[in-house]
Amino acid sequence: SQQGEEDPQALSIQEGENATMNCSYKTSINNLQWYRQNSGRGLVHLILIRSNEREKHSGRLRVTLDTSKKSSSLLITASRAADTASYFCATDAETSGSRLTFGEGTQLTVNP
Amino acid sequence: DAEITQSPRHKITETGRQVTLACHQTWNHNNMFWYRQDLGHGLRLIHYSYGVQDTNKGEVSDGYSVSRSNTEDLPLTLESAASSQTSVYFCASSENGYQPQHFGDGTRLSIL
Repeated sequence: SQQGEEDPQALSIQEGENATMNCSYKTSINNLQWYRQNSGRGLVHLILIRSNEREKHSGRLRVTLDTSKKSSSLLITASRAADTASYFCATDAETSGSRLTFGEGTQLTVNP
Repeated sequence: DAEITQSPRHKITETGRQVTLACHQTWNHNNMFWYRQDLGHGLRLIHYSYGVQDTNKGEVSDGYSVSRSNTEDLPLTLESAASSQTSVYFCASSENGYQPQHFGDGTRLSIL
């Protein structure tokens, strides 16, 4: 079963708008990671947030983590056409021994 | 630059044949992982290794095997290919559980 579930499954926005994707998970975690996948390519790591952190920034990316609600969100500000990709959250559960469990992803389309 | 490479990128084979997918990383990472990606399932873990001579079963290991004879390589073998194993396969590596995973660009495997 999937540990992480992303919401929405698909998101279409205009260039310059902000995009928000959400992830929910089921068990206690060591950290939560977000990855991007361009069509036909492997996953690329975006950001890692530890269980004792609540918010993290990297460039136009902002990630929040609420361990009480077992949820995380990824915000991409001022989106660009090049941000078009699938975005996955992945959790490193406390009992996983560094294995990640991935959600099914959000397909983001940014229209020029 | 360090990288992780998968070969072949595409393969078509017949049911019942043995197939081996190669994964080679130059990160010098101890942890290596094999995933399959199917529509509606995200990435699912097949096998993983924490070091030379160490291999472990993941969520969907039936019909697959791996071996780890050195740090750089973790080949994935389908002992007797089945049509249900048609998928895109990704290899990844990481330094440890608190570091991101680095992914190859995948192997698209079709079993007819």
